[in-house]
Amino acid sequence: GESVGLHLPTLSVQEGDNSIINCAYSNSASDYFIWYKQESGKGPQFIIDIRSNMDKRQGQRVTVLLNKTVKHLSLQIAATQPGDSAVYFCAETGSSYKLIFGSGTRLLVRP
Amino acid sequence: DTAVSQTPKYLVTQMGNDKSIKCEQNLGHDTMYWYKQDSKKFLKIMFSYNNKELIINETVPNRFSPKSPDKAHLNLHINSLELGDSAVYFCASTGALLAGTETQYFGPGTRLLVL
Repeated sequence: GESVGLHLPTLSVQEGDNSIINCAYSNSASDYFIWYKQESGKGPQFIIDIRSNMDKRQGQRVTVLLNKTVKHLSLQIAATQPGDSAVYFCAETGSSYKLIFGSGTRLLVRP
Repeated sequence: DTAVSQTPKYLVTQMGNDKSIKCEQNLGHDTMYWYKQDSKKFLKIMFSYNNKELIINETVPNRFSPKSPDKAHLNLHINSLELGDSAVYFCASTGALLAGTETQYFGPGTRLLVL
């Protein structure tokens, strides 16, 4: 069946360092991937997305990398700040009506 | 202005009761969703409506019944609440029918605790 999973449930980084959050997916038919950020007590918030015809996409301080060969997705956050502390989810979809979410990684930023 | 709003934010109730959660979006979107997030933060889709029509009905107990009076509202009614229903329920909306063609916007969540 379809599944999207993360390698690390919790990631602790020093403020100012770069963070890398990883995600594995199993549905090779998926062609769209999204990263969401969920702060405590709030709903998930869109960060960045990427389509399967790309292998890298950059936003403001964030970069998403897609490796379709090994079905791996990563989110890189540059110069991590305390406000980046949250749970991060990857999600995938193919030609369907629904997103499938991964299990989430908690990012803790140490001052 | 809140794009996707849910009420109530917190809901504490006894087992066996019936309760409703309401969701409204002011984004003009056609598609709305209900997700359930368990204690381990796992997010799973429950239902989706497009322009008041049910398009996704995942394997959830039939005690859960969504209702969409218009495309800006998607309510969730839960009958005979059980302990396992305790979770955070998120409403979301998007302007697209197919997932992935537009961003989904999430509400702040309703924290349901069944005692």
